[in-house]
This record gives sequence, C-alpha cells and structure tokens, in this order.
Amino acid sequence: KQEVTQIPAALSVPEGENLVLNCSFTDSAIYNLQWFRQDPGKGLTSLLLIQSSQREQTSGRLNASLDKSSGRSTLYIAASQPGDSATYLCAVETGNQFYFGTGTSLTVIP
Amino acid sequence: DGGITQSPKYLFRKEGQNVTLSCEQNLNHDAMYWYRQDPGQGLRLIYYSQIVNDFQKGDIAEGYSVSREKKESFPLTVTSAQKNPTAFYLCASSTYRGRNQPQHFGDGTRLSIL
Repeated sequence: KQEVTQIPAALSVPEGENLVLNCSFTDSAIYNLQWFRQDPGKGLTSLLLIQSSQREQTSGRLNASLDKSSGRSTLYIAASQPGDSATYLCAVETGNQFYFGTGTSLTVIP
Repeated sequence: DGGITQSPKYLFRKEGQNVTLSCEQNLNHDAMYWYRQDPGQGLRLIYYSQIVNDFQKGDIAEGYSVSREKKESFPLTVTSAQKNPTAFYLCASSTYRGRNQPQHFGDGTRLSIL
C-alpha cells in the first residue's frame, strides 16, 4: 500500500526566507503528485499538480519538483510571506486512489 | 462561481443516530470523493464515485454509506455503526479519475458526538 510521508511536521521561518517542504512516497507507480494548502478549519486548495512524466511545475513563488524513481517531491516557496502560513499537504494518485501525507504546518513570522 | 458546497459546517450526533452530510458541486465533475481527516493523520478515503449510480468503497468505508443519484450530489451518511465518528469530513471532486486533473475540495463538515 502506498505510504506518503512529509517532513518536517512543522516549520517556522522569518518573513522573506526561501524554504523547502518535502514529500516522499513508497510506490513509484503514480499517475501524478499534487500539492495542496489547507487553512485552519477549511478545505484543501490545489497549488500544483505534477504528472508522472514531468519533473517540475511552477506557479508564481511556488515551484514543485518530482523525482519519481526516488519517490520524492519538494515544494519550494520563494520569499515567504505571513500569508503563506498554512498546512501544506502532498498527495499521490496511485491505482484508483489518492494517498495523502499528514502535512507540514508552516508559520511565517513577520 | 463554480465550486463545492458542503453543509452543514458543524454537526452533532447523538448515540444511535444516523446523520447525513451534504456535498453539492456545480463544476460538472464526473468523480466525487469523501475523505475523513483526523488530527495528526492524513486524509483517508471513505467512498468515491466515478459516475451516477455507481460508487466504490475506500479504505475506511465501514459505518458509512453514500448515494449518487445525481451528478451534482454525493451525500454521506454516518451510521450508528460508526463508533468513532468525530472528525473533519471533506468532499472533493475531479473531472475524471486518472486523467491528471486536480481535485477540488469543499470547506468541510466537522462532526462531533453529543
């Protein structure tokens, strides 16, 4: 069964710093990997989706990479802002299901 | 605006009671999903549906039931057989499974036991 791990569970950085969030998965037979943002008490908002044939995707200050063979993905956030504070989750689509990590809780300190 | 609407936002269940969580989407998506989120755990799939009148069990379907009579609607019933129902429930949809389309989520329903 696919297992998705996100490390660290929590991260605090000063405003303006660049940062990297990590996601690893055990089964490399994935269709895609998706990064989400979740604000407290809210649903998930899709940030980026990387198909299995792709290496990276970019949206504004966000860049996500995928190394399927090693079972790893990173989400790079440039010039962090207090508004980036949230929990970030990754999910992989394997077989006919999506598997989610437990998330990294990010706090950007003004 | 297109999106997914979950209601109610908060729900309380008494012992032995069945409760139904609503999920409606106007995105014209084929597939819909129900997830359960517990503190410190990732989202776990309860049920999913790819087309009307068809649905499949996820990893934790016991104590739950669903129906898909309309493309727009995918209600989840938490039955009295679910002994630990307290959680945050999220509904999601996508255009078509396996076609590399992102999932869209509602704002969730928080269920608690009275």
